[in-house]
Amino acid sequence: GAVVSQHPSWVICKSGTSVKIECRSLDFQATTMFWYRQFPKQSLMLMATSNEGSKATYEQGVEKDKFLINHASLTLSTLTVTSAHPEDSSFYICSATATGPNEKLFFGSGTQLSVL
Amino acid sequence: GDSVTQMEGPVTLSEEAFLTINCTYTATGYPSLFWYVQYPGEGLQLLLKATKADDKGSNKGFEATYRKETTSFHLEKGSVQVSDSAVYFCALRSLSGGYQKVTFGIGTKLQVIP
Repeated sequence: GAVVSQHPSWVICKSGTSVKIECRSLDFQATTMFWYRQFPKQSLMLMATSNEGSKATYEQGVEKDKFLINHASLTLSTLTVTSAHPEDSSFYICSATATGPNEKLFFGSGTQLSVL
Repeated sequence: GDSVTQMEGPVTLSEEAFLTINCTYTATGYPSLFWYVQYPGEGLQLLLKATKADDKGSNKGFEATYRKETTSFHLEKGSVQVSDSAVYFCALRSLSGGYQKVTFGIGTKLQVIP
């Protein structure tokens, strides 16, 4: 079946540095990718939706300049957390889907970010 | 906006017990409804889905029926196994502003003991 690979699975960084998380669809063309974050004991919260070749659409309250999303190809989307701070520590997960409103969503395994 | 409410776990059951995990939603329009499962150390996987009212999704012995009148999509299984131990997420997908949006519930951890 379709697989979405998310890398890295965990990362520890110093405050003020930037971290890039990659999300790849391995055997299908992902026209739309979603980025979520999950705080402990809370639901997955949608951060942004990215369509290949166009700017990402961010949810209300998500800082565009802090969470840079690039979806340059049909198999790769990246989320860059710029100038990370401890409050950015969270679990980030991506999902991808092919064309069509009823296509399945496939999820990456997530990235645990810890900012010291 | 859209929202999904599901019972907070953990839920602990003995093997072969009956399982119900409640899920209710609020949404405009006609969303599709999903149950996802996350086994330990793995990513989320689609368990079942229903795209319109009265549809029943089923997979691996799990079932859920899309009830528009009660805005619910409760997950059930007649006889759970130890291998069903996982976290279960209820979710809805809607079209908003021309693009897809998925909203998840908090997740319910299920632990099945032999």
